[in-house]
Amino acid sequence: EVQLVESGGGLVQPGGSLRLSCAASGFTFSSYWMTWVRQPPGKGLEWVANINQDGTEKYFVDSVKGRFTISRDNAKDSLYLQMNSLRAEDTAVYYCARVDDYIWGTFDSWGQGTLVTVSS
Amino acid sequence: EIVMTQSPATLSVSPGERATLSCRASQSVSSNLAWYQQKPGQGPRLLIYGASTRATGIPARFSGSGFGTEFTLTISSLQSEDFAAYYCQQYNKWPPWTFGQGTKVEIK
Repeated sequence: EVQLVESGGGLVQPGGSLRLSCAASGFTFSSYWMTWVRQPPGKGLEWVANINQDGTEKYFVDSVKGRFTISRDNAKDSLYLQMNSLRAEDTAVYYCARVDDYIWGTFDSWGQGTLVTVSS
Repeated sequence: EIVMTQSPATLSVSPGERATLSCRASQSVSSNLAWYQQKPGQGPRLLIYGASTRATGIPARFSGSGFGTEFTLTISSLQSEDFAAYYCQQYNKWPPWTFGQGTKVEIK
């Protein structure tokens, strides 16, 4: 069974940093693109970033470019999101998800999410 | 960026009735359209891809249709477990991959 478990969320002040982690199990992690999607409280879903299998190809939504970094450690079956210069509008539940390798661009497995709150 | 617009924002339906949800794209996405279901406190679940193909394990009461800019998700006979939020997502032109703002299906 595919499992994705996010961690690392919490309360951070504006301008601060936070590193999210996603532990993957139940599939060959190194064979899949992975993604981060976020959801502000009571609102809809927003794609944040993607990374390819070996970490050499990455994409970001414009609002986080230059502030967020996505990375992975295939030896640890783990995905990361380093978030710097955090703003109030980054407050959201952050989900990691697997990119379907057959219907590329869809997200076929999701974690339960971790809440990031940016507030003074 | 392709903007996805869903309607209505909230749909009130009685159990056993049909629910019809709409999604419109600001430009053609061909059939590269997915639907997700999200229940409170959970991550989304992939329901439909390719506009009309059910994902693994999705019941036949869920069906999708459309092409280009207009899409529909139909739930033929609502069960208690179907009351949730539903999101469409385009994967035709990226980045960014974009979602609609969601439709909440609630019990009437």
